[in-house]
Amino acid sequence: SQQGEEDPQALSIQEGENATMNCSYKTSINNLQWYRQNSGRGLVHLILIRSNEREKHSGRLRVTLDTSKKSSSLLITASRAADTASYFCATATSGTYKYIFGTGTRLKVLA
Amino acid sequence: SQTIHQWPATLVQPVGSPLSLECTVEGTSNPNLYWYRQAAGRGLQLLFYSIGIDQISSEVPQNLSASRPQDRQFILSSKKLLLSDSGFYLCAWSDRDRGYYGYTFGSGTRLTVV
Repeated sequence: SQQGEEDPQALSIQEGENATMNCSYKTSINNLQWYRQNSGRGLVHLILIRSNEREKHSGRLRVTLDTSKKSSSLLITASRAADTASYFCATATSGTYKYIFGTGTRLKVLA
Repeated sequence: SQTIHQWPATLVQPVGSPLSLECTVEGTSNPNLYWYRQAAGRGLQLLFYSIGIDQISSEVPQNLSASRPQDRQFILSSKKLLLSDSGFYLCAWSDRDRGYYGYTFGSGTRLTVV
């Protein structure tokens, strides 16, 4: 079964709006990562949040982590058409380097 | 700097034919190496991972196999392809000593089995 599951599966917003994606996972983790995938391309690492962190920022990205609820959210502020992509969360059970990816959120930003 | 090369970019193969996808990493040593498969519009499925030569773990039973003939080379193979093997195959590496710092992915191979 999937370790991480994102919702929504698809999201369509207007340029300039904020986009929020959520991820839920099942086991204890050391960290949670978010990746981005443009259509037909490899994944690009966006941000990593450790299990002892609650919030992290990187540019227009804001990630939160709630280990009690086993969930994370990725917020993209002031979205741009170039943000159109699929976004995946990835987690590894504590003590392993084996990351399991969720099913992804397909974000479409309309110009 | 570290780079990862994956080839070929696209491949069309008939059912029953063999497969060999290659992935190499440059600029690092002792990397953890991974093969993932992504079905159309779906998430990533971990197929194999390796923490060293002769240390390969299979995550999903199937007609695929992986080998690591050199420290920075990871090969995905099949003796006889099935239609269900079609998908987007991604190789990735992570720093063995800093594995928590995330993966670097190759550009992927789109395999269509016909």
